[in-house]
Parts: sequence; C-alpha cells; structure tokens
Amino acid sequence: DAGVTQSPTHLIKTRGQQVTLRCSPKSGHDTVSWYQQALGQGPQFIFQYYEEEERQRGNFPDRFSGHQFPNYSSELNVNALLLGDSALYLCASRFTSGSPHEQFFGPGTRLTVL
Amino acid sequence: LAKTTQPISMDSYEGQEVNITCSHNNIATNDYITWYQQFPSQGPRFIIQGYKTKVTNEVASLFIPADRKSSTLSLPRVSLSDTAVYYCLVGDMQNYGQNFVFGPGTRLSVLP
Repeated sequence: DAGVTQSPTHLIKTRGQQVTLRCSPKSGHDTVSWYQQALGQGPQFIFQYYEEEERQRGNFPDRFSGHQFPNYSSELNVNALLLGDSALYLCASRFTSGSPHEQFFGPGTRLTVL
Repeated sequence: LAKTTQPISMDSYEGQEVNITCSHNNIATNDYITWYQQFPSQGPRFIIQGYKTKVTNEVASLFIPADRKSSTLSLPRVSLSDTAVYYCLVGDMQNYGQNFVFGPGTRLSVLP
C-alpha cells in the first residue's frame, strides 16, 4: 500500500515565477492538507482540502492556492515566488472520519527560490 | 490557540529512557495532546495522542497530569534510530487544521 506521495522531490525556481506541487494521498484517504516547513522550524499549516473544496486555511497569503481532484489528489500552487518561500512543502492525508491527528505525511518537495 | 513549549534539544545514550516534557499552560477543555516524530528529509510521523492520565502504545508512553498543563513523552530504551525531532501539539479535534500548530520541536540526539 503506497503511502502519501509527492512530486517533484526537488525544485528550483527564481523570484516571481509560479510553481505547482503535487500530492497523491494514501489509499482510502479523502482529506489532504498542505504544510510549509522552513529550515529548522516546525511545519506550518497552509490549508486543507476535502470534497474538492478548501475547508480550512492557515495564515498564508492568497499567492498560495490549491486544488483537489475527484480522485482526492491535490495540487499546491504558489504565484509570484519570493525568496522566503524556499522551504520543504509537506502534504498530509487522512480519512475524514478517522482520528484527525493520525494524518500521514509525504516526504515533501524541497523548493528553492533563487 | 494553546501554545506549547519544549526543550530545544536533548542528548541521550542508547538503552536509556528518554522523557521529553511539553508545557501547554492555556490548554482548552476540548484540546488533545499529540506527539509527532520527524526524521531529516521526511514528513512527521504520528507517535501518540492523549487527553488525560496515561496512554501507552508499542512505541511510547504519554503522561498527562490532572491539570493537563504539561505532558511528558517517554521513549523506553532509545536506540540510535530514535534520533529525530519530536513535536508536541495541542489542538481541538474538530478544528485540528487551523489549530494544528507545530512549534520548533525537541531535537533528540541518541549517542552510542
């Protein structure tokens, strides 16, 4: 059983560009959340998707947007990249009727903005 | 949001028991306490969760005093592979997304 998968594993962009990161949830999971983790810090909640809609959002600007597809996979889009957007982006999934704290994280996408 | 405070780092030796304490003075009635483990270049992994008293699973134990203003994660007989960052989180089960705040965590180094 594949766990949460993310692509790409690494990405290098320049300031002002746009980026799309992808996530496939663990089999049977229908809720996907995205986190940003800066070096040496804990993950910070960006937003959560369920039933193809954004259900909750953390303290991130509108440059960060997302999408969930009918197969529960998800994308994170970041526009007008800033140097400060360099981080590890983590996707986490869970089954909505399960324990909300037992979410499963993917390995992340390392984004570097130059 | 219930803020948590943990030691930034801890050192231990193989075979010892490690206790990591987390302070959460303004924990709310509906909040649960959850601990995650994270290895370098990997996403966090759920370890244990509790509301009060003591919870034990095959990996760890979680001790929560009656006032719930702190909690202690206990790792029995650690090995080198337990070297990781450990996060304590406090949050409402219903609104866990918005309230799921990771602090800087505790960096545990297990030495041979």
